[in-house]
Amino acid sequence: QITLKESGPTLVTPTQTLTLTCTFSGFSLTTTGVGVGWIRQPPGKALEWLALIFWDEDKRYSPSLKSRLTITKDTSKNQVVLTLTNMDPVDTATYYCARRPIRGHYYFDFWGQGTLVTVSS
Amino acid sequence: QSVLTQPPSVSAAPGQEVTISCSGSSSNIEKNYVSWYQQLPGTAPKLLIYDNNKRASGIPDRFSGSKFGTSATLGITGLQTGDEADYYCGAWDSSLSAGVFGGGTKLTVL
Repeated sequence: QITLKESGPTLVTPTQTLTLTCTFSGFSLTTTGVGVGWIRQPPGKALEWLALIFWDEDKRYSPSLKSRLTITKDTSKNQVVLTLTNMDPVDTATYYCARRPIRGHYYFDFWGQGTLVTVSS
Repeated sequence: QSVLTQPPSVSAAPGQEVTISCSGSSSNIEKNYVSWYQQLPGTAPKLLIYDNNKRASGIPDRFSGSKFGTSATLGITGLQTGDEADYYCGAWDSSLSAGVFGGGTKLTVL
């Protein structure tokens, strides 16, 4: 059974750095082709692709947020961590992590429940 | 402004069929696979279609996907009230070297 779960602060103040952790089970991020990505969704708005880390440490970032994003993995803990610096109220969103199952294919087959992060002073 | 363009809303009666379009470009839809996600109110997105036209595990054959050139389409037949949701298309963009989503389409089953 594959599960992913996001954890982190629910409230951050402007200019702070957000750190979110995705803890997963039922698969390994050492398996060739597997990746874990982050997607966010501001309230009432569309999905926004943020970042993706692959089994081989390769990483991809949204060009519009690349300067503020970092994605890392800890395979021993089955975790992927996303950091987003210099938070702003426009970064208020539900943040999801999801699994990319196979090399060369960029869909997400399993998603976490999401965690709502509010940016406010 | 999403990279992929979807109609904001579509509607149809129960039992009818509906299509949702997703328009992109040569760097995303034309060159790469398209996926579709269903998001019921208050829940996380759920994979419906991957690799343009393959149904994810457990998805009924009322849902179908197709792609032609720089556009893709999600089709839903035999509409049910439980199909009311937001639907998103997604693809890889080779120019951006990143994933992209559409702006989402809200399906109302009248």
